Amino acid sequence: KQEVTQIPAALSVPEGENLVLNCSFTDSAIYNLQWFRQDPGKGLTSLLLIQSSQREQTSGRLNASLDKSSGRSTLYIAASQPGDSATYLCAVPDAGNKLTFGGGTRVLVKP
Amino acid sequence: KAGVTQTPRYLIKTRGQQVTLSCSPISGHRSVSWYQQTPGQGLQFLFEYFSETQRNKGNFPGRFSGRQFSNSRSEMNVSTLELGDSALYLCASSLGGTHALYGYTFGSGTRLTVV
Repeated sequence: KQEVTQIPAALSVPEGENLVLNCSFTDSAIYNLQWFRQDPGKGLTSLLLIQSSQREQTSGRLNASLDKSSGRSTLYIAASQPGDSATYLCAVPDAGNKLTFGGGTRVLVKP
Repeated sequence: KAGVTQTPRYLIKTRGQQVTLSCSPISGHRSVSWYQQTPGQGLQFLFEYFSETQRNKGNFPGRFSGRQFSNSRSEMNVSTLELGDSALYLCASSLGGTHALYGYTFGSGTRLTVV
């Protein structure tokens, strides 16, 4: 059974600092991995989808890397801003399209 | 293009009642999945529908059910509500291939409070 872990559970950084968010999964036979952002009480916003054949994916200030062999993905957010404050979740699908989520990392960017 | 639309945004129900939530996926998406999010359990998979058929189901009691219509819109129903059903219910749509090849787009959710 796939298990997804995100450490740390919470992170506080000053504005301008780079953010590094970690996601680990127990079964390396994944098809892809998706990073989401969630603001309090809201739905999930997709940030990046990285396929199993890819090593990284980039969008603006965001960069996600994937290392299947070690069961890890890292989301980098460059030059953080207060608007980046949110909870960040990673998720992997199984063969049945069910997503298994990590517990999330709650990020606070202080002005 | 329009995103995933969930209605209503908020609901307050009494224990023992039933509730129906609605989800309209992105146009062209044939797969709709439902998730329950609570502070204690995180995000848990309820079920997935594809072309009007339930393709996968999570570990929830039979009080939780769903269906999908020919236009891909989906509804989920919870009968005999319990206090523990209070949660944010999220709907996600995708093109429908296996292994979520194209990723998922989520709606804004329905906040259900059972009193």
